Amino acid sequence: SAVISQKPSRDICQRGTSLTIQCQVDSQVTMMFWYRQQPGQSLTLIATANQGSEATYESGFVIDKFPISRPNLTFSTLTVSNMSPEDSSIYLCSTATGTGGLEQYFGPGTRLTVT
Amino acid sequence: DQQVKQNSPSLSVQEGRISILNCDYTNSMFDYFLWYKKYPAEGPTFLISISSIKDKNEDGRFTVFLNKSAKHLSLHIVPSQPGDSAVYFCAASGTYGGSQGNLIFGKGTKLSVKP
Repeated sequence: SAVISQKPSRDICQRGTSLTIQCQVDSQVTMMFWYRQQPGQSLTLIATANQGSEATYESGFVIDKFPISRPNLTFSTLTVSNMSPEDSSIYLCSTATGTGGLEQYFGPGTRLTVT
Repeated sequence: DQQVKQNSPSLSVQEGRISILNCDYTNSMFDYFLWYKKYPAEGPTFLISISSIKDKNEDGRFTVFLNKSAKHLSLHIVPSQPGDSAVYFCAASGTYGGSQGNLIFGKGTKLSVKP
């Protein structure tokens, strides 16, 4: 399985500011995914990021709020823009490398608190 | 409306006994199911999966059972060990949507294995 790292591991930010989260994979992968886990909730897919194309966003998530970059096959960033306290969550990136590409492997997550 | 439900937020089991974690789903188009384990401050770790063409998959101490007619799956851990104490997430995927990355997660069950 791929080894995934994320930076930062946690941050406390003021409302109205933006934070960019980095995700690094130790091997080249086609698909990378960004999830959010709000307190007490399940993981929710934000978007799918393929190298060389625009990210595909899930219902309820928009590019202006969560712009994503995917400059190469081992790296991606997610920006949380114009933050509000409701954005306080754990943000996780993942990649699919299992049989059929359906098993996903996750990074350690970024715990974001917005004050 | 939640498509994947884990109705027990917590479960406590004695070391050496069996742990049974349950998961229900509502969407009959789901055809692949996964279990993840999550320790605090870490990302979810893939544990075991099962395709809808099977009703059982076993990997060491972990066995997943799928009952398609009841839209129910369960994860059995035998024997349970204190190191198994973690939050367990059930996830489902369907190829119908064409979005390979769209894993739908339950809210998780916190398993505590007591020595």
